[in-house]
Amino acid sequence: RKEVEQDPGPFNVPEGATVAFNCTYSNSASQSFFWYRQDCRKEPKLLMSVYSSGNEDGRFTAQLNRASQYISLLIRDSKLSDSATYLCVVIHSGGYNKLIFGAGTRLAVHP
Amino acid sequence: EAQVTQNPRYLITVTGKKLTVTCSQNMNHEYMSWYRQDPGLGLRQIYYSMNVEVTDKGDVPEGYKVSRKEKRNFPLILESPSPNQTSLYFCASSSFGDYLEQPQHFGDGTRLSIL
Repeated sequence: RKEVEQDPGPFNVPEGATVAFNCTYSNSASQSFFWYRQDCRKEPKLLMSVYSSGNEDGRFTAQLNRASQYISLLIRDSKLSDSATYLCVVIHSGGYNKLIFGAGTRLAVHP
Repeated sequence: EAQVTQNPRYLITVTGKKLTVTCSQNMNHEYMSWYRQDPGLGLRQIYYSMNVEVTDKGDVPEGYKVSRKEKRNFPLILESPSPNQTSLYFCASSSFGDYLEQPQHFGDGTRLSIL
């Protein structure tokens, strides 16, 4: 079983739609959680950190459920420019910055 | 401008011909890392370095070597490349102090094809 699992998609949605991605992680010692965005096999870029209380950044909302070991990302009012692959990332506790990446969920927003 | 620079961006080569992918960062980061990305598998860590002369294996180190003689540089060496090392490679760096907010800065990626 992979340490971080995501639905690969693709999610094909019209502009303006609300779309949600989930991600599950297997290591209960995971300490920090993030969503990254990756365009067309370019470098991953940090989209947002995920805090226990949940956090929002404009149209994006991230939530963490430690008991069930999953993370979610909600995108409201989807734009064409949101088309990308979204990577779920966790960091284990352990003294160094080892990121564990999910394989990514592909989102395609169409007119 | 803060950045991680990888070279080359693209390389097609043949089995067994030694190659080096360079990585350099200008942010004085202690931590540097190499990943490879393959379809359906996500990014997997090859090697990492916590500081000068301190390196360790990641999840998929076989067939790779690294060195960290200077803080800014972290080259990835393939002594005898094989076709299963055809992949997209990313170098990344971060400072220990702020990893919770900005875990890693990534280079633009190097696409290697081993024939």
